[in-house]
Amino acid sequence: EPEVTQTPSHQVTQMGQEVILRCVPISNHLYFYWYRQILGQKVEFLVSFYNNEISEKSEIFDDQFSVERPDGSNFTLKIRSTKLEDSAMYFCGGRLAVADYEQYFGPGTRLTVT
Amino acid sequence: AQKVTQAQTEISVVEKEDVTLDCVYETRDTTYYLFWYKQPPSGELVFLIRRNSFDEQNEISGRYSWNFQKSTSSFNFTITASQVVDSAVYFCALSEARGNTPLVFGKGTRLSVIA
Repeated sequence: EPEVTQTPSHQVTQMGQEVILRCVPISNHLYFYWYRQILGQKVEFLVSFYNNEISEKSEIFDDQFSVERPDGSNFTLKIRSTKLEDSAMYFCGGRLAVADYEQYFGPGTRLTVT
Repeated sequence: AQKVTQAQTEISVVEKEDVTLDCVYETRDTTYYLFWYKQPPSGELVFLIRRNSFDEQNEISGRYSWNFQKSTSSFNFTITASQVVDSAVYFCALSEARGNTPLVFGKGTRLSVIA
């Protein structure tokens, strides 16, 4: 069964550094998402992406964040200058079509900013 | 604005007990979708079920069952004869039925099943 994959599984970085979190969605999915989960808290929406552009973003997704789908398969989340409060689990999600609202998630990348 | 409330932060049960996880939602939309996800200790989010707002039939899948009541804006999840492997955080989520809409999650309920 196809799965969403995410790399790395764990990333440790120093405050102020740039990080890129990578996701390979299920191949026939059309809609893509990034969510984050600060340890012990709920899952929060960051950004949605369709047809090579951002559809919607939350207020968390400020100018430090960007997303790309550079080659038609990978879907990346970049944090330009990490802060301590960016430490969280980041989940990539995708879904097939407008009528199929089930979002399937990757295993997550745990980002630790020191 | 949409909101999902899972009032139970943590629940502990003894194996083989039944347990119900509560979910109450708020939305102004007349058409929407409700979901349950499981997050085991390994951390991934596992899709369990989607329910459409226009379909109030309850659903059963093995030991899992879901009770959707539009009148009380609730979508509760029951695990029958719980097992240790059911120990996880369970999230209820809501999305509008439009375009590329994101999920709005509740804060989750941590279920511990003790042998």
